Amino acid sequence: ETGVTQSPTHLIKTRGQQVTLRCSSQSGHNTVSWYQQALGQGPQFIFQYYREEENGRGNFPPRFSGLQFPNYSSELNVNALELDDSALYLCASSWGLVETQYFGPGTRLLVL
Amino acid sequence: KNQVEQSPQSLIILEGKNCTLQCNYTVSPFSNLRWYKQDTGRGPVSLTIMTFSENTKSNGRYTATLDADTKQSSLHITASQLSDSASYICVVSPNNDMRFGAGTRLTVKP
Repeated sequence: ETGVTQSPTHLIKTRGQQVTLRCSSQSGHNTVSWYQQALGQGPQFIFQYYREEENGRGNFPPRFSGLQFPNYSSELNVNALELDDSALYLCASSWGLVETQYFGPGTRLLVL
Repeated sequence: KNQVEQSPQSLIILEGKNCTLQCNYTVSPFSNLRWYKQDTGRGPVSLTIMTFSENTKSNGRYTATLDADTKQSSLHITASQLSDSASYICVVSPNNDMRFGAGTRLTVKP
């Protein structure tokens, strides 16, 4: 176990809906990153938060947004869901930007 | 075109044998390179992190090498075990971004 938890574990939504995924970082970690992993592929970087500020963003549209809270837990919000958003969403926490990341188990999202 | 290419795509070896996985990248600028192990249905687990100035880093039976001049990295696994069966993912960071390779699927057979 990495100490990083994510909720929910599974989720089914329909096209056009909005979804919020949650991540609780390992204790003491101030950096959280979010990834999208389609079936059979490597993860794709969505964005990273460092001390509540967005610190980097991958090639994802603005309908993917996030928050990091003072306790360093985090949310990933996706608006106007599309079928291609169906994937495993992973969060990873670390102490600092260039340190070992610890991944959560992921949230599997299915968009119908 | 993915800026991080891994080879082979999949690999089957016998228990106890060694293997080497390759990662070539075109990402620039370069901040660090990571290798992860991902078991099916689980989140990745960090194996090694190397910065520009590091040529090699070991973690138990896993040894990663980095040639920043040729933009190549390798992950060598010695004395493979059945539990090594997983996907191994190479990740290159150009500052505040992370570029993932598609991974190498390793199967270790008894």
